[in-house]
Amino acid sequence: DAKTTQPNSMESNEEEPVHLPCNHSTISGTDYIHWYRQLPSQGPEYVIHGLTSNVNNRMASLAIAEDRKSSTLILHRATLRDAAVYYCILRPPMGGKLIFGQGTELSVKP
Amino acid sequence: GAVVSQHPSWVICKSGTSVKIECRSLDFQATTMFWYRQFPKQSLMLMATSNEGSKATYEQGVEKDKFLINHASLTLSTLTVTSAHPEDSSFYICSARGTVKEKLFFGSGTQLSVL
Repeated sequence: DAKTTQPNSMESNEEEPVHLPCNHSTISGTDYIHWYRQLPSQGPEYVIHGLTSNVNNRMASLAIAEDRKSSTLILHRATLRDAAVYYCILRPPMGGKLIFGQGTELSVKP
Repeated sequence: GAVVSQHPSWVICKSGTSVKIECRSLDFQATTMFWYRQFPKQSLMLMATSNEGSKATYEQGVEKDKFLINHASLTLSTLTVTSAHPEDSSFYICSARGTVKEKLFFGSGTQLSVL
């Protein structure tokens, strides 16, 4: 499984944008880039995923580098409820298991 | 969105007893379910993949006789921790994949404490 690298932790202020980086230099041409987040004492929840083009949904945006070796999850206005561990995961097409790395623990200050 | 219900949310048991954790997909059929465990301040570790009607596939290092997985229907998978010991204390999380194969939906987890 291709590996991802994320900072261990990041801090943000409430109502400011947050950019969470992820490096995946060994990504294969068919791997999708998935983001999940895990709030304290809960199971992870899906945030967003993409292949090559940037993606937007109600939760976040995903910016994918042209060479696909890195990506950035963008929370446009962080709230206290966004404090969680964010996982960037590479996944082959047609689904399959998710292998979690260490993720980035995001803290949001009021 | 799709809902995965996991029960119980927490359980305390004595060493040597067995504990069953249920994972149900409430509004979709889950052909594949995954079981993870998570120790404090660590990431999720995949334990096994279960497909409805067939034997589970265990990850390397996971004892299949200790962690029994049954996926008898398209909406229910169970994980039984047999002869539990204190080192089995952990947060166990299930996830399910339905027809939207790109997403996995996760249960809320089960905190197991073995005394």
